[in-house]
Amino acid sequence: AQSVTQLGSHVSVSEGALVLLRCNYSSSVPPYLFWYVQYPNQGLQLLLKYTSAATLVKGINGFEAEFKKSETSFHLTKPSAHMSDAAEYFCAVSSGTYKYIFGTGTRLKVLA
Amino acid sequence: DAGVTQSPTHLIKTRGQQVTLRCSPKSGHDTVSWYQQALGQGPQFIFQYYEEEERQRGNFPDRFSGHQYPNYSSELNVNALLLGDSALYLCASSTEGSRETQYFGPGTRLLVL
Repeated sequence: AQSVTQLGSHVSVSEGALVLLRCNYSSSVPPYLFWYVQYPNQGLQLLLKYTSAATLVKGINGFEAEFKKSETSFHLTKPSAHMSDAAEYFCAVSSGTYKYIFGTGTRLKVLA
Repeated sequence: DAGVTQSPTHLIKTRGQQVTLRCSPKSGHDTVSWYQQALGQGPQFIFQYYEEEERQRGNFPDRFSGHQYPNYSSELNVNALLLGDSALYLCASSTEGSRETQYFGPGTRLLVL
């Protein structure tokens, strides 16, 4: 069975500050891991994915995430927050076949 | 290159009615998955279609059914609507050769009154 836990349903950062969104997973098989972003009233946009290649994954809009097997984590970071980063972020795990298991999401607020 | 498209964008129904939502996958994709996203929650997997067959199903009742056409487009049907079916319904497409990565459409927001 697979599961995802996103720590912190709401995160606030100042513009220009580091963004850190936490994701821990549980999987009985080698996982595929994803981060998606959802802007209000829109669908999900893929930010980045881990598919068993490099453990440090770079995505769009300056985001990156590091797969740490020993910690079962896949935290999302961005060195400097921008106002346009305000959105809801979802971490998801998959066994690589059919369905994704999503976390409950983290709403990021960027303060001017 | 057109991405995943869904129709309609919004829908209002009353309890007991039936609804059909439509999805066209990204060009070159042959697999369609459907997810339900309730307000304030992460998406939950409903089912996946490949080669016009339901390949896997999540924990949803039989009131939820689907179909995939030869051109890979798909429909999600929900019968006997309940208030709790109000949600954003997301369609995602992928290819059999790269099915670990799914691309999502903008969703259909269903409100059941």
